[in-house]
Amino acid sequence: EVQLVESGGGLVQPGGSLRLSCVASGFTFSSYWMSWVRQAPGKGLEWVACLKQDGSEKYYVDSVKGRFTISRDNAKNSLYLQMNSLRVEDTAVYYCARGASPSFWGQGTLVTVSS
Amino acid sequence: DIVMTQTPLSLSVTPGQPASISCKSSQSLLHSDGKTYLYWYLQKPGQSPQLLIYEVSNRFSGVPDRFSGSGSGTDFTLKISRVEAEDVGVYYCMQSTLLPRTFGPGTKVDIK
Repeated sequence: EVQLVESGGGLVQPGGSLRLSCVASGFTFSSYWMSWVRQAPGKGLEWVACLKQDGSEKYYVDSVKGRFTISRDNAKNSLYLQMNSLRVEDTAVYYCARGASPSFWGQGTLVTVSS
Repeated sequence: DIVMTQTPLSLSVTPGQPASISCKSSQSLLHSDGKTYLYWYLQKPGQSPQLLIYEVSNRFSGVPDRFSGSGSGTDFTLKISRVEAEDVGVYYCMQSTLLPRTFGPGTKVDIK
């Protein structure tokens, strides 16, 4: 069974940083692109970033370029999202998802940016 | 960026009746590789999104055959042949032909 478990969310002040983690199981993690998708409270889905199997290609939505960094550790079956210079508008549930076109999604972790 | 629109934005359906959701893209989703990367997701209340349809018309593993997808170019449709109570939630279309991936605003489906 495919499982994706996110962690690392929480409350942070504007300008602060957080690192999200996602641990994968039930499939060969190193064989798949991985993605982060977010959902602001009561809003729709927004794709954030994706990362190739070997980490050689990564892509971001314009609103997070230069602030967020997606990375992975295939030995640990883990995906990460380093979020710096956080803004109030980054407040959302962040989902880890398998694939560049997401097929399986985790349960999400809530990031709240507020003073 | 490709803009995705959906109609209607909300839909109330009688169980056993059909339902249809339209998704339009601001430019063609036909990729140079010949495939069209249009996906449909359902987010049930309180849950994460789940993939229903990939590449326009392919049902994902475990998805009931009452769900079907069709379309080409810029116009796409998700159809539910006979709505069941478990089908309530918000349906999103998404394109992955071009970066950034973009989602439609969602169509909320409930039961009459």
